[in-house]
Amino acid sequence: EIVLTQSPATLSLSPGERATLSCRASQSVSSYLAWYQQKPGQAPRLLIYDASNRATGIPARFSGSGSGTDFTLTISSLEPEDFAVYYCQQRSNWPSTFGQGTKLEIK
Amino acid sequence: EVQLVESGGGLVQPGGSLRLSCAASGFTFSSYSMNWVRQAPGKGLEWVSYISSSSSTIYYADSVKGRFTISRDNAKNSLYLQMNSLRDEDTAVYYCARDLGIAAAGFDYWGQGTLVTVSS
Repeated sequence: EIVLTQSPATLSLSPGERATLSCRASQSVSSYLAWYQQKPGQAPRLLIYDASNRATGIPARFSGSGSGTDFTLTISSLEPEDFAVYYCQQRSNWPSTFGQGTKLEIK
Repeated sequence: EVQLVESGGGLVQPGGSLRLSCAASGFTFSSYSMNWVRQAPGKGLEWVSYISSSSSTIYYADSVKGRFTISRDNAKNSLYLQMNSLRDEDTAVYYCARDLGIAAAGFDYWGQGTLVTVSS
């Protein structure tokens, strides 16, 4: 099973700042990696698929990069609605696995 | 508009069974693979099971293998999860999620979830 490790566990930033979230895989997942945003009481929302492709309706301030074992989700300028928990997920091998999440909180 | 609506959750005793359903609308259900993902209270996401569009390929997480069975009825636009021999650790919100496809990594639409509580 491929283990995804997200860092940091918690990120404290202010609106307007740049956020950089990391996801590291225990073995190569090529580009089969997705990022999700989840707010309390809501289902996850797909942000990025295949490591760098924005999903439909996702603002351009969200971008994904990386391949192999190291991936990054960047939010260029934080909006108030961006404070949430973010998960990465790999679909390279079954079982599919999720990272443990990064909580992005308001500083 | 794509919609996924789960149902069938509830309170069940350890060792009991439950069948979850996911009603799909707004897209050609028979063309998409589907998944179940769960989230224990206050915890992260855990992928549970996958079924291809024709039901020819099925995968399970080790934690549910042998106890859970995924299935679908394309004529009824419905996805199912039969859960047997339930344990306390199966307590979670269960989401159904549409798969982007073999050549893409991501689940692009999710239901609102249904809560399963396993407790005596």
